Amino acid sequence: DGGITQSPKYLFRKEGQNVTLSCEQNLNHDAMYWYRQDPGQGLRLIYYSQIVNDFQKGDIAEGYSVSREKKESFPLTVTSAQKNPTAFYLCASSRRAENEKLFFGSGTQLSVL
Amino acid sequence: QQQVKQSPQSLIVQKGGISIINCAYENTAFDYFPWYQQFPGKGPALLIAIRPDVSEKKEGRFTISFNKSAKQFSLHIMDSQPGDSATYFCAAFSGSARQLTFGSGTQLTVLP
Repeated sequence: DGGITQSPKYLFRKEGQNVTLSCEQNLNHDAMYWYRQDPGQGLRLIYYSQIVNDFQKGDIAEGYSVSREKKESFPLTVTSAQKNPTAFYLCASSRRAENEKLFFGSGTQLSVL
Repeated sequence: QQQVKQSPQSLIVQKGGISIINCAYENTAFDYFPWYQQFPGKGPALLIAIRPDVSEKKEGRFTISFNKSAKQFSLHIMDSQPGDSATYFCAAFSGSARQLTFGSGTQLTVLP
């Protein structure tokens, strides 16, 4: 089955701790994205990558970092600089020629202890 | 700056009724308008989409109506079913920026 796998499903962060959310896709998509979802605020773009070893900041990149060393993987690190990290994080991918058609993973719920 | 405004925030409809969700946009560079459906604990999935060269697109019980001059588009769900209960997001895509901008979402509840 082709798709996007996010792990873990639930994650808890202690104050001052960095945590990394995993995103793996086997759709052979070039582009990958991270969105943050908060109740009543829709989806906001954190980072995106159109190609391996290249990524760009989205609308709310502060306090987050990413890497894109492999086409299949796009991990997101929530750093201690992100003061309000509690949210539902969604990873998505698309074909580079069809950036308008996103395929989403099932998300990771991050909560602060 | 919210470039895509979605309303209502929540909607309750009786089974068999029509659900209508509205979106408005500002950026005339947008050239693709999808709707995503999200069930609790899951990621959104593309439901239906339209390009601005047509005024309506229908797929089964789901219809998008598009008004280019008013910069508005809406999702109509005919014969709404309890299984349609989900959160719906409208979005707009700019080919030049190659990014989707999402509305704030509508939580739809269809009562049995």
